Amino acid sequence: GESVGLHLPTLSVQEGDNSIINCAYSNSASDYFIWYKQESGKGPQFIIDIRSNMDKRQGQRVTVLLNKTVKHLSLQIAATQPGDSAVYFCAEEYSSASKIIFGSGTRLSIRP
Amino acid sequence: DTAVSQTPKYLVTQMGNDKSIKCEQNLGHDTMYWYKQDSKKFLKIMFSYNNKELIINETVPNRFSPKSPDKAHLNLHINSLELGDSAVYFCASSFHRVAGNTIYFGEGSWLTVV
Repeated sequence: GESVGLHLPTLSVQEGDNSIINCAYSNSASDYFIWYKQESGKGPQFIIDIRSNMDKRQGQRVTVLLNKTVKHLSLQIAATQPGDSAVYFCAEEYSSASKIIFGSGTRLSIRP
Repeated sequence: DTAVSQTPKYLVTQMGNDKSIKCEQNLGHDTMYWYKQDSKKFLKIMFSYNNKELIINETVPNRFSPKSPDKAHLNLHINSLELGDSAVYFCASSFHRVAGNTIYFGEGSWLTVV
């Protein structure tokens, strides 16, 4: 399943399927992008990051894609598991500002 | 061996009161932050300190005053609490302030103003 940031803040996915969470970032000068996962009652936790000189980066079961032309970032989760249920945030940073700006978040829920 | 710890986790208080949230990190980081998360889960940076020096101060009311006694601690004091201050406040830390350094968050402090 797929989501598009602000327009679809909740994504429901069948267990075992792949999830795609999308994010549109705001600043074309941003040079570092991060995905965070926030489980209920906890703080955001780093998942994966990517620098602006790359367009793809893979981790364990997760892949981040960056399209600078349209200022779009996506997080792909392979074989979604119940433990993936959380709110996912994309974040951007431009080094001149030395601060990270968070997107609005997408809630991922898993159907058994 | 909690990395970023903040207290209290829950705080319910009346309007007009003054309260503090404490934060400590044992990661050896030199940059610490306070973020506010509202009821819609929107995370916004409030303050950032680097080696006890304030480097980011977003448009936060003067009632909010951060204090960093050393680089491992960043406390948040709030005067004259208002209903709109109800939120989850997250402390965080990172190595340095340049791009590419992962931010580690605490578990959050749930503040409810009644």
